Amino acid sequence: QVQLVESGGGVVQPGRSLRLSCAASGFTFSSYGMHWVRQAPGKGLEWVSVIWYDGRKNYYADSVKGRFTISRDNSKNTLYLKMERRPPEDTAVYYCVKQDTMTLDYWGQGTLVTVSS
Amino acid sequence: QSALSQPASVSGSLGQSITISCTGTSSDVGSYDLVSWYQQLPGKAPKLMIYDVSKRPSGVSNRFSGSKSGNTASLTISGLQAEDEGDYYCSSYAGTYVLFGGGTTLTVL
Repeated sequence: QVQLVESGGGVVQPGRSLRLSCAASGFTFSSYGMHWVRQAPGKGLEWVSVIWYDGRKNYYADSVKGRFTISRDNSKNTLYLKMERRPPEDTAVYYCVKQDTMTLDYWGQGTLVTVSS
Repeated sequence: QSALSQPASVSGSLGQSITISCTGTSSDVGSYDLVSWYQQLPGKAPKLMIYDVSKRPSGVSNRFSGSKSGNTASLTISGLQAEDEGDYYCSSYAGTYVLFGGGTTLTVL
């Protein structure tokens, strides 16, 4: 079955970069687009970024453009999100999500990132 | 990239039906039959309940149904059960990005 396991979250200072990882299994990772979606404490879902199945294209929400970088390593079945210049508003649970055609169909359990000095 | 509009809360009694609306624009909901609905139970990750406006993934109860008219999509839950209580989010693919609604909290009375 599809499994998505995020890691790399924790308490981080605003000036330090952070890289989240998502280990995928149970499907052919290299055939599917992948997304990051976040949820601030007590708030709704916010789409963050998408990367095509082959990594050739990626897109970002305006709120993170220029600060976050999505990437993937299909040889390791792993998705990444590098976060830089993080204000406190980036505090959220970050979900790794698989895409099937144009639907976000499977979600990981999320990893909590808390931005605090 | 403005969020889709959902009511903050809805409620219904056991066995009744409720409908949650999701309003976008002609650039997102109105342009694509790519509306999805997610259920999020407390402390859990979202779960896909409806995709492509009205399709149900395998394993999702047929009590859940979706529709769309113009720029507004709707999720209907019939025969409300206690385990349906939680947050529901709509989403729409909009070309190169995805929009989510603000979420609706369903309370089963």
